[in-house]
Amino acid sequence: DTGVSQDPRHKITKRGQNVTFRCDPISEHNRLYWYRQTLGQGPEFLTYFQNEAQLEKSRLLSDRFSAERPKGSFSTLEIQRTEQGDSAMYLCATRGTGSSEQYFGPGTRLTVT
Amino acid sequence: DAKTTQPNSMESNEEEPVHLPCNHSTISGTDYIHWYRQLPSQGPEYVIHGLTSNVNNRMASLAIAEDRKSSTLILHRATLRDAAVYYCILRDYRSGATNKLIFGTGTLLAVQP
Repeated sequence: DTGVSQDPRHKITKRGQNVTFRCDPISEHNRLYWYRQTLGQGPEFLTYFQNEAQLEKSRLLSDRFSAERPKGSFSTLEIQRTEQGDSAMYLCATRGTGSSEQYFGPGTRLTVT
Repeated sequence: DAKTTQPNSMESNEEEPVHLPCNHSTISGTDYIHWYRQLPSQGPEYVIHGLTSNVNNRMASLAIAEDRKSSTLILHRATLRDAAVYYCILRDYRSGATNKLIFGTGTLLAVQP
C-alpha cells in the first residue's frame, strides 16, 4: 500500500454512460498525475496537477475526459459518453515537492460493454 | 522525449543476480534515468534513479555507462516477488517540466524457483 487510494477499483459500464473515478493522494503530496494503461502496454500520461492547477493535458485526453482537483487534495477523472476504447486501467500517482518518486495507486479498471 | 529500448522479456533463477539492460542513445543532459517496476495487478512502483554516477538502494543498483547512452538495473539476488515488468524511463528535470513519466513496454522479468 503506497498511501494513494483510488475508488472504485473496478467499474463496468455500458457504452454511452458517464463514469467518474476518484484519487486520494498522500496528504502532503501537491503534485498529482493521471495515467491510462491498456493490456500489454506501459501506462500513458493523461494529465498533471500541481495543487489545484491543471498544468498539462495529453492529447489523449479528448473533450470527453475531464479532470479536477478542486482543493488541491483529492482528484476526480470523469469520462463522458464512454466508448469501448476507453476500457483500460486508470492510474493515479502523486509526488511531493522536491521528491523524485511518483507513488502510484492501485488503479481503477474500467470495462465498457 | 528521449526514448529507451529494453528487451521484451528476461528470465532468471531465484537467488541469482539479474542485470536488466536499457539503451537510451538520445538522452539529453537534463534527463535523469528512472526505473519503475509493476507487479501483476498493481500500479507501478519506484525502484531507483540516477544521473551520471552509479546508485545503490535497498532494492537494487543502477549502473550508468560513462557516455550515459545505456544503463543496467541490477537485482543482486532475485526472488519470486521480483517477477514484474521493469520500465526504464528518462525524466526531464528542467525547470517547469511536469516530470511526467513516459513509459515504454518494459521488460517482463520471470523468476524461476
